[in-house]
Amino acid sequence: ETGVTQTPRHLVMGMTNKKSLKCEQHLGHNAMYWYKQSAKKPLELMFVYSLEERVENNSVPSRFSPECPNSSHLFLHLHTLQPEDSALYLCASSQEGHSRRGEQFFGPGTRLTVL
Amino acid sequence: AQTVTQSQPEMSVQEAETVTLSCTYDTSESDYYLFWYKQPPSRQMILVIRQEAYKQQNATENRFSVNFQKAAKSFSLKISDSQLGDAAMYFCAYRSVFMEYGNKLVFGAGTILRVKS
Repeated sequence: ETGVTQTPRHLVMGMTNKKSLKCEQHLGHNAMYWYKQSAKKPLELMFVYSLEERVENNSVPSRFSPECPNSSHLFLHLHTLQPEDSALYLCASSQEGHSRRGEQFFGPGTRLTVL
Repeated sequence: AQTVTQSQPEMSVQEAETVTLSCTYDTSESDYYLFWYKQPPSRQMILVIRQEAYKQQNATENRFSVNFQKAAKSFSLKISDSQLGDAAMYFCAYRSVFMEYGNKLVFGAGTILRVKS
């Protein structure tokens, strides 16, 4: 699957570091998402961008900062994270509007470990 | 708010046999989407099958089929002729068609499927 790509695939960072996760979709979609997947917890939606505007922010701490410069790219900027932020971060995309089918397509995820 | 419940944390099936994974959901809406996603050890979330609530016919995709019972708010996944590659975590997901709920997918907790050779 190369429709949605994410880099890096693995990231280890200290609590004082600043890093960014990158997502790119090659499907021509107009909406992109960040999800967090922690052990023994359901997937949590973090942010939604539709037509490059942030339309949802599910009470995510400010140490996570999303950026969507265009409909194909999505970033998650990380700073002063906590160990409990260690998780798999999944990016997804979908087509919204009249041609919507409802499903989202996911990238392979970035496994983040905060020391 | 909508919720999705998967009551089976783990299931096992013998290779070549059939297994059914359960999913129930709670909603007051009449039209919505339902999905099953598969997450193998590689962690890539893969769409398995999709159902639109207004369609009475159960969706099928090769060896995968669903039993959609709208009145009972039940959406089970049947995997026929199970293969070793089917071993994964399976997630049931719900999505409203109404824009006021945004584009949100609501996921269940998942069911781990083990396939025995």
